[in-house]
Amino acid sequence: QKEVEQDPGPLSVPEGAIVSLNCTYSNSAFQYFMWYRQYSRKGPELLMYTYSSGNKEDGRFTAQVDKSSKYISLFIRDSQPSDSATYLCAPSTGNQFYFGTGTSLTVIP
Amino acid sequence: DADVTQTPRNRITKTGKRIMLECSQTKGHDRMYWYRQDPGLGLRLIYYSFDVKDINKGEISDGYSVSRQAQAKFSLSLESAIPNQTALYFCATSDSGTSGYNEQFFGPGTRLTVL
Repeated sequence: QKEVEQDPGPLSVPEGAIVSLNCTYSNSAFQYFMWYRQYSRKGPELLMYTYSSGNKEDGRFTAQVDKSSKYISLFIRDSQPSDSATYLCAPSTGNQFYFGTGTSLTVIP
Repeated sequence: DADVTQTPRNRITKTGKRIMLECSQTKGHDRMYWYRQDPGLGLRLIYYSFDVKDINKGEISDGYSVSRQAQAKFSLSLESAIPNQTALYFCATSDSGTSGYNEQFFGPGTRLTVL
């Protein structure tokens, strides 16, 4: 079983839509849950992180973690064309870290 | 100037050739990593180093070797390149002292093609 499973998409939505990106994981030792964003021809950059279960909001982005079901979500409200990128979930123990395969998102103007 | 640099940015080589990819960082971080990224497989860890004297194998180390020449430099070698090593390679750094979540900072990537 893979440590992290992520639907690769691709996902295409109209501008202004609410986007939901999800991952599942298997290792109950993960404490930190990160989302990286990767634009075409660039390296990934950290978008958000949460510690343990719960929600965290940053502008139009909300990260959600449910440790009981080992489920990680990223919601994007009022999506913009500039949000078009690949989004990678990355759960971690702090020293052990894994990346999902990434979900490719295109926001159509 | 970029905090994490990789050279070369693009490389085409032939099967059997030795290749070295280099990574340098000015962030002062102690931890450095090498990943490869393939369509549908995501980022996979090749090697990582938590300090100059520490080298660890990652998920897919076979066919690769690394050298941590200094805190700021971490190079990846393919001793005898093969076509299935064609991929996008990323170097990353992190600071063990600043946060538990160990944010990684990625370089711009090296696109390697093995013919």
